Amino acid sequence: AQTVTQSQPEMSVQEAETVTLSCTYDTSESDYYLFWYKQPPSRQMILVIRQEAYKQQNATENRFSVNFQKAAKSFSLKISDSQLGDAAMYFCAYRKGGIQGAQKLVFGQGTRLTINP
Amino acid sequence: DADVTQTPRNRITKTGKRIMLECSQTKGHDRMYWYRQDPGLGLRLIYYSFDVKDINKGEISDGYSVSRQAQAKFSLSLESAIPNQTALYFCATMAPNTYEQYFGPGTRLTVT
Repeated sequence: AQTVTQSQPEMSVQEAETVTLSCTYDTSESDYYLFWYKQPPSRQMILVIRQEAYKQQNATENRFSVNFQKAAKSFSLKISDSQLGDAAMYFCAYRKGGIQGAQKLVFGQGTRLTINP
Repeated sequence: DADVTQTPRNRITKTGKRIMLECSQTKGHDRMYWYRQDPGLGLRLIYYSFDVKDINKGEISDGYSVSRQAQAKFSLSLESAIPNQTALYFCATMAPNTYEQYFGPGTRLTVT
């Protein structure tokens, strides 16, 4: 079974600085997708960024980017120019490709990010 | 208006009570899901449904049941609530082509 591991339960960063959240996963599949979700205090799950495993280029969304190392099964999230609104719980998630992937997302344990003003 | 809604948003109930959490969506997606979130464990899948006639157990279905009343509605029931079912519950849909999931706002359930 696929597993997703976030080894940092909590992280903190100074406002305007850069922070990297770690995620590793275990799978024998070659076709899959990886996601980072943000959960602010409102509890809403918000998709931050997604990465298709077949794409070598790392995904980027404004201040958010990923470092996707397929061989190492690592998928870290970098937040540049951290803002107070980035404070949240961040979840890494995995999904198989194809119709089998429709069965579910597999989530990591989450990393709580604090932004210090 | 939100695409995926959940009612209630917060609920406190007593051990042994039956409770239903409701989910509605306006996205027109066939696939719907119920997840449970616990601190330190992330989100775990309880049940999922690919259409009105298709219901599947997830990894933690014991103690829960679901009903898919229509394409837009997917309810989660706790037949006899127990304290370790205290958690945050999320409903979600999945887009048919991108397989991207869309989450509701969550229901905070406390069983005393």
